[in-house]
Amino acid sequence: GEDVEQSLFLSVREGDSSVINCTYTDSSSTYLYWYKQEPGAGLQLLTYIFSNMDMKQDQRLTVLLNKKDKHLSLRIADTQTGDSAIYFCAFELTDSWGKFQFGAGTQVVVTP
Amino acid sequence: DVKVTQSSRYLVKRTGEKVFLECVQDMDHENMFWYRQDPGLGLRLIYFSYDVKMKEKGDIPEGYSVSREKKERFSLILESASTNQTSMYLCASRPSSYEQYFGPGTRLTVT
Repeated sequence: GEDVEQSLFLSVREGDSSVINCTYTDSSSTYLYWYKQEPGAGLQLLTYIFSNMDMKQDQRLTVLLNKKDKHLSLRIADTQTGDSAIYFCAFELTDSWGKFQFGAGTQVVVTP
Repeated sequence: DVKVTQSSRYLVKRTGEKVFLECVQDMDHENMFWYRQDPGLGLRLIYFSYDVKMKEKGDIPEGYSVSREKKERFSLILESASTNQTSMYLCASRPSSYEQYFGPGTRLTVT
């Protein structure tokens, strides 16, 4: 199966950029996702990238995929207090539709 | 608007009790999922269902069973609750495309 690693905590100042990193072991994923979980809520899909892409930009969000190093990152530009949440990377394996592997989640705290 | 609801936000049960967690979606999605979320471990898939009366084991099915009698409802059953099943339980549904829609979660405490 997929091993997925994320750093557990990130502190960032309001207005700065945040970068959340994720590494994985299996390279057969089709879709790679970033989810956001606000306190007391379920997960919300932020963005996703196909495995044949290197980069995807969506407003303040930029996803970078380095397949050689098996590294996925999420950059949030102009970080706001409303961005404080837990961020999960997740992978869906090509041959196991519906079976997701999630990272442990990165707690992002935005300070004024 | 997409909606996944879970029957309880908080639940406290005793060891050995039979526990039912209910999940309902109003989007006519074929696929539904049950995860548990534990600090430092992320989400782990317990079971999923791709159609009525169909189910597949996820990564940690031991101690759990599921039921899907109607398309909109997916139930997670703890036959005999144990303290190591204290966790946050998240339900999700999904059409045939990529996105999963999550419910708000049920925080279960087994004493």
